[in-house]
Amino acid sequence: NAGVTQTPKFQVLKTGQSMTLQCAQDMNHNSMYWYRQDPGMGLRLIYYSASEGTTDKGEVPNGYNVSRLNKREFSLRLESAAPSQTSVYFCASRPGWTPTEAFFGQGTRLTVV
Amino acid sequence: EDKVVQSPLSLVVHEGDTVTLNCSYEVTNFRSLLWYKQEKKAPTFLFMLTSSGIEKKSGRLSSILDKKELFSILNITATQTGDSAVYLCAVEASGGGADGLTFGKGTHLIIQP
Repeated sequence: NAGVTQTPKFQVLKTGQSMTLQCAQDMNHNSMYWYRQDPGMGLRLIYYSASEGTTDKGEVPNGYNVSRLNKREFSLRLESAAPSQTSVYFCASRPGWTPTEAFFGQGTRLTVV
Repeated sequence: EDKVVQSPLSLVVHEGDTVTLNCSYEVTNFRSLLWYKQEKKAPTFLFMLTSSGIEKKSGRLSSILDKKELFSILNITATQTGDSAVYLCAVEASGGGADGLTFGKGTHLIIQP
């Protein structure tokens, strides 16, 4: 059971380039999330998806777009990367219908130069 | 806006000491509070506390939730160097997975031999 899988693990982009971070879970969870983590800032919610076909903005959505492709997959897209988007990105999932832990992917370390 | 404040932000103690980490929160329609441990990669789940479970214990770690005063503490007794990590507190509001988890900035705990 793989849990939550994120790709890539590392990425370096030039300012203005675009890229998509992929996330897939195999636990049949309804809810999926994208967080970013910066030094001393904890985890901040970028976007979430309560179920297939729905997405909503979190605390820091500017500069990002998301797609809930199906129940398993939730992708995060940077259309025009900026140095301020240098961060570690975590995807997470939860069943969504009862309080439980959130299961995290291993993270993507993104550097924008 | 939901708010989670952790204290202290950093803490250095000697092996064998007991530590208490604090988490206070302001959230509309509290549903659950979660503690995670993070060691340079994805957060790993420690405890979840809800209205029906306000005290949890696992080995040397324990946590309590005070819903009246809106805080939680995480205790670690007989600390070991392997306990060195960032400890994250997160709170969920009702609405289930739809709203995600709001994280504090974390407590960076260093255990010196």
